[in-house]
Amino acid sequence: AQSVTQLDSQVPVFEEAPVELRCNYSSSVSVYLFWYVQYPNQGLQLLLKYLSGSTLVKGINGFEAEFNKSQTSFHLRKPSVHISDTAEYFCAVSVYTGNQFYFGTGTSLTVIP
Amino acid sequence: NAGVTQTPKFRILKIGQSMTLQCTQDMNHNYMYWYRQDPGMGLKLIYYSVGAGITDKGEVPNGYNVSRSTTEDFPLRLELAAPSQTSVYFCASSNLAGGWNEQFFGPGTRLTVL
Repeated sequence: AQSVTQLDSQVPVFEEAPVELRCNYSSSVSVYLFWYVQYPNQGLQLLLKYLSGSTLVKGINGFEAEFNKSQTSFHLRKPSVHISDTAEYFCAVSVYTGNQFYFGTGTSLTVIP
Repeated sequence: NAGVTQTPKFRILKIGQSMTLQCTQDMNHNYMYWYRQDPGMGLKLIYYSVGAGITDKGEVPNGYNVSRSTTEDFPLRLELAAPSQTSVYFCASSNLAGGWNEQFFGPGTRLTVL
């Protein structure tokens, strides 16, 4: 079975500061990894995904994530956050042959002016 | 394209009432999903469908039913609403089989059962 752990439920950070949102996963098979963002009262939007190849993945809005197979992690980073980045961020995994996604519990990022 | 649309946006039900949450996608996706999102719990899969006429249970199917008569529509039915079903419900769709495919989400339906 697959599981996703997001270690921080809430992350406050000052505007223009860097941020890292942590995600660890557990799986007995190879997985694909995703980060989604949810703005208030909206559905989820894809930020980035890791399928294969380079372990550093760049997404929209200046976010990037690094896949670390040995540590089973897929942490999300941004070097300088903006007020508009305030949102809920979800890490998700799926297996190569599966149809289902497994989501973490989410990290609420609050950017402080 | 409108993408994935859901109706209604908000609904309040009394215990024991029934309702159908509507979901429609205009991207010709074969795969459709229903999730519920509870505070601090992330998203849990209720049901999913791999094509018209084919549905399967997800992680938390009890108390819900689905049908998939067309590619576009995937309604979720609550027969006897319970307070435990108070949640935000999201519908999603994706193009092909395989875990590498991105899921596209609707804006959600916020349901309260009193």
